[in-house]
Amino acid sequence: EAEVAQSPRYKITEKSQAVAFWCDPISGHATLYWYRQILGQGPELLVQFQDESVVDDSQLPKDRFSAERLKGVDSTLKIQPAELGDSAMYLCASRTPGTNGYTFGSGTRLTVV
Amino acid sequence: KQEVTQIPAALSVPEGENLVLNCSFTDSAIYNLQWFRQDPGKGLTSLLLIQSSQREQTSGRLNASLDKSSGRSTLYIAASQPGDSATYLCAVRGGGADGLTFGKGTHLIIQP
Repeated sequence: EAEVAQSPRYKITEKSQAVAFWCDPISGHATLYWYRQILGQGPELLVQFQDESVVDDSQLPKDRFSAERLKGVDSTLKIQPAELGDSAMYLCASRTPGTNGYTFGSGTRLTVV
Repeated sequence: KQEVTQIPAALSVPEGENLVLNCSFTDSAIYNLQWFRQDPGKGLTSLLLIQSSQREQTSGRLNASLDKSSGRSTLYIAASQPGDSATYLCAVRGGGADGLTFGKGTHLIIQP
């Protein structure tokens, strides 16, 4: 079964440091999303890509967060500098053409100390 | 702005019981609704996807219904098992956003 790949699974970083997460969506999925999930809450959308273009980054804290999908395949989400409040699960998802169902990766658990 | 509410927030029942999880959304102009399962510290696993034109979907012991006009969906779990223990998340696509809008989830514990 096709999967969305994410790495790393866990990341511990000190505040003010830079951190990056990687996502490889299911092959052929043009639409890719990054979500952030704070403990006890539902995931919230950070950024949406259609191929290599950003479609929606209205909820992305652009002073410290950046996202790219240069070749329209895999994607990187970066935080610089990290703050204590950034501790959360970062989830990547891609959308299946046709059914428009979403498939999520296993996520990256970020802890900022 | 779309808002999704899930009730109850937590539920603990003995093994073997049938149970219902509820989801409501404020904007009925949705494309579809998806139920996910999340185990502690893990990613999301899709359970059922209901298109806006559909009334229900079934997979094994799971049945999800959708009443778009009233902004409600239910997830029915039959003959619950301890392995069903997890957080169940409801998410809708549409209502002004292309991405999914999630509820906060129902934390389910099935007692052996």
